[in-house]
Amino acid sequence: QSALTQPPSVSGSPGQSVTISCTGTSSDVGSYNRVSWYQQPPGTAPKLMIYEVSNRPSGVPDRFSGSKSGNTASLTISGLQAEDEADYYCSSYTSSITVVFGGGTKLTVL
Amino acid sequence: EVQLVESGGGSIQPGRSLRLSCSASGFSLGDFSVSWVRQAPGKGLEWLGFIRSKAYGGTSEYAASVKGRFTISRDDSKSIAYLQLNSLKTEDTAIYYCTRSKYMVGFDPWGQGTLVTVSS
Repeated sequence: QSALTQPPSVSGSPGQSVTISCTGTSSDVGSYNRVSWYQQPPGTAPKLMIYEVSNRPSGVPDRFSGSKSGNTASLTISGLQAEDEADYYCSSYTSSITVVFGGGTKLTVL
Repeated sequence: EVQLVESGGGSIQPGRSLRLSCSASGFSLGDFSVSWVRQAPGKGLEWLGFIRSKAYGGTSEYAASVKGRFTISRDDSKSIAYLQLNSLKTEDTAIYYCTRSKYMVGFDPWGQGTLVTVSS
């Protein structure tokens, strides 16, 4: 199972919006709504930000939103803040009864 | 507070075995599946496998990259899940995390991780 494809890096200024894409196949992202997103600041464990494509766990700001179209899922962060700077990973359940992660995207807040 | 704590990591020689533990508190571990995920130094996340809750058979699934070498088990009476690492290779050097989920819709929370260093 190949990793999901994410851009290596994205950047934005405070207050702006950024979108991180996550491209899979018809065997994972395209077939299941079990797509989730994780935030990982340096030296810390990952934190769930979005589950089931577009749902936010309690405590996650509504500046974070998720969507999916075909084989590509997206995470949008609006109203960027300095504290959003981190690595972001997507993941998806697959038809092989496994889970695959994306390669990760480094978000820089300028 | 819902919490997962990994332990058992350390430095080990290639070819040896190691068992990692994942201790749960603040919730009933038996109600959840448990996954293990690792992160090599400076690299991304790699899902290794999961064990279903007893309600769903308590069976396990693995990533192709570790199938046959790694084994996940659980002892719900102790609120602990395990990851047995056999025939370790230098490329297994990573931080190993455990995490929980229901229906594999999202992993939350994650433990702080335990570092495994495989080196001669």
